[in-house]
Amino acid sequence: QQQVKQSPQSLIVQKGGISIINCAYENTAFDYFPWYQQFPGKGPALLIAIRPDVSEKKEGRFTISFNKSAKQFSLHIMDSQPGDSATYFCAASIIQGAQKLVFGQGTRLTINP
Amino acid sequence: GAVVSQHPSWVICKSGTSVKIECRSLDFQATTMFWYRQFPKQSLMLMATSNEGSKATYEQGVEKDKFLINHASLTLSTLTVTSAHPEDSSFYICSASRGQRLQETQYFGPGTRLLVL
Repeated sequence: QQQVKQSPQSLIVQKGGISIINCAYENTAFDYFPWYQQFPGKGPALLIAIRPDVSEKKEGRFTISFNKSAKQFSLHIMDSQPGDSATYFCAASIIQGAQKLVFGQGTRLTINP
Repeated sequence: GAVVSQHPSWVICKSGTSVKIECRSLDFQATTMFWYRQFPKQSLMLMATSNEGSKATYEQGVEKDKFLINHASLTLSTLTVTSAHPEDSSFYICSASRGQRLQETQYFGPGTRLLVL
């Protein structure tokens, strides 16, 4: 019940295209859903995050769509660029208490020029 | 703002020795720090959560005596891998959480790659 399932495991998108990564969770107590971007040999960097009281959040080319009833959320990267090539992790946590993050399995995104 | 550093970034050691990794929040006070372990091409696995001045809370399956965590101040936490063995070789990443209002945001350090020979 603490798992966050992420798909696909890897994704190849042409430059300028839309990259879509999906995550699903079971624990309805989760109330914070961040996305992290990680380059090889580096720590994850917070990209964008959403709370369950909204269905969508957009920051620049990055958008999170959140479906509370389906317990699913997704990351959309518009106009994908080669510099976006990285591994992306979705995560979930409960704000109250220990705020422990539960990470998805990760998606290795490659943007072809 | 919200920068977290780790030192060292790379460490190679012989089997049986102990290795200390430092995690610092450079421009904010971290009420809580977290330590993760990441194997190649895998996700981050939480090892332990530490609050300043109190004992760390370890995740199930993580040996407390193997991975010693000290959170001596609001800007510094250390992870000591005691009597390291080759199977301890991994990428260790810390994160820090600041303040009550932004408590949900974890800021990650750049990671420390440990290789035990």
